[in-house]
This record gives sequence, structure tokens and C-alpha cells, in this order.
Amino acid sequence: DTGVSQDPRHKITKRGQNVTFRCDPISEHNRLYWYRQTLGQGPEFLTYFQNEAQLEKSRLLSDRFSAERPKGSFSTLEIQRTEQGDSAMYLCASSFNWRGTVEAFFGQGTRLTVV
Amino acid sequence: DQQVKQNSPSLSVQEGRISILNCDYTNSMFDYFLWYKKYPAEGPTFLISISSIKDKNEDGRFTVFLNKSAKHLSLHIVPSQPGDSAVYFCAATLNFGNEKLTFGTGTRLTIIP
Repeated sequence: DTGVSQDPRHKITKRGQNVTFRCDPISEHNRLYWYRQTLGQGPEFLTYFQNEAQLEKSRLLSDRFSAERPKGSFSTLEIQRTEQGDSAMYLCASSFNWRGTVEAFFGQGTRLTVV
Repeated sequence: DQQVKQNSPSLSVQEGRISILNCDYTNSMFDYFLWYKKYPAEGPTFLISISSIKDKNEDGRFTVFLNKSAKHLSLHIVPSQPGDSAVYFCAATLNFGNEKLTFGTGTRLTIIP
């Protein structure tokens, strides 16, 4: 399977715990995006990387959130001191940045439940 | 501030008929628009897109229309098939080549056999 892969698919954690999600993009894609989707809403942009550089962060990304993309390959999204409001689907997407397309390919997401 | 709006949360259409999904936006700086389809427990998958310099783009059974003056776009699916039952998201981006997408809230399309 050469699509975007996310791990884990589901995570249940207690409030106050730290969690980390991983995203493996399509191998030749240089851009990687994180989105968050809550029930009844569309995905909301969190942050994106071009290669290893984090180029933009949404104001939704509080200081409890941190994302990395070492060596421009896989990415991790860490949430510290989780809160119930962090419960959502976290989606990763990747694309190859050239002026022929803006199509981003999404992974299946990691569903986080904070109890 | 919802910059991309899909005012119909759900839509039911008979198989074989036309499905029309609507999307409105408020930010006149958006210059590229996309439709994504999402099945349960899967991530969104790209369906079709349109640049602001066009007013129509067609791909098989799917056609997207853009009315810039009205800040409105629509997705037409003809003929509708049971496999089209999914949630459809409209999305927009500020710069062609910048895939930071602003999504609408989605419309759940149900095709009735």
C-alpha cells in the first residue's frame, strides 16, 4: 500500500496524559499536513511541513501541541496534557508541491478519545 | 468564522438521477476549489477541482461549476450511483499550489436504489 499511513488508528487516553501520533506520507511527497476533524465539522488545518521545515501553524495548535518531521520523511504530532476537547479525528495528508495540482492525499486518520 | 459553507447537511437522491451539492464561500481571495468525498472510517479522497479562472470542470460523471460573482460552487453527479453515498466536503485554498485547505462542514449524500 503506497498511500498515506497513520498510526495508531484509534487511541483512548486519560485526561492529562500525553499522546503521540505518527504519519507516513507517500514517499515522493514533499508536503505534509495535519488536520483535525470533530463531529459534524469539516477538517480544520493545524500545521504543514515542506520537507522538514514547519512552514505554518494554525492558532488551533496550542502550546500543548507539537509536530515534527525529521529528515522530511514521517511526521509525529504530540499532544501534551490531553483535555477532553482534544477528542477528534486527526488527519494527515501529503502532496507533491508543483504547479500542476493541489491535490492532497489523506490518510485514514487517528481517532483520539480523551476520557 | 466559517469561510466555506455547505448549508445542506444531507441530501437524498434516487439512483440514476442528478445529485447537486452546493457550497458557498465568503473569502474572495480563494482561487482554487476542491471537492473531497469521505466514506466512514476513511480519510477524505480527492474528487475534482476547479481554478478560479474557469467556470466549469468536468470529469466523467462529476462536474463542478463555479460562480465567482456569487461566491458559489456546485458539484453535479450524473447519473447518481449507490456507491456515491458518502459525505462530500467542499474545500478552498488561497493560492494555487498551497494545499492548506479550508473545508466546509460537509453534505451527506444518500443514493436511494
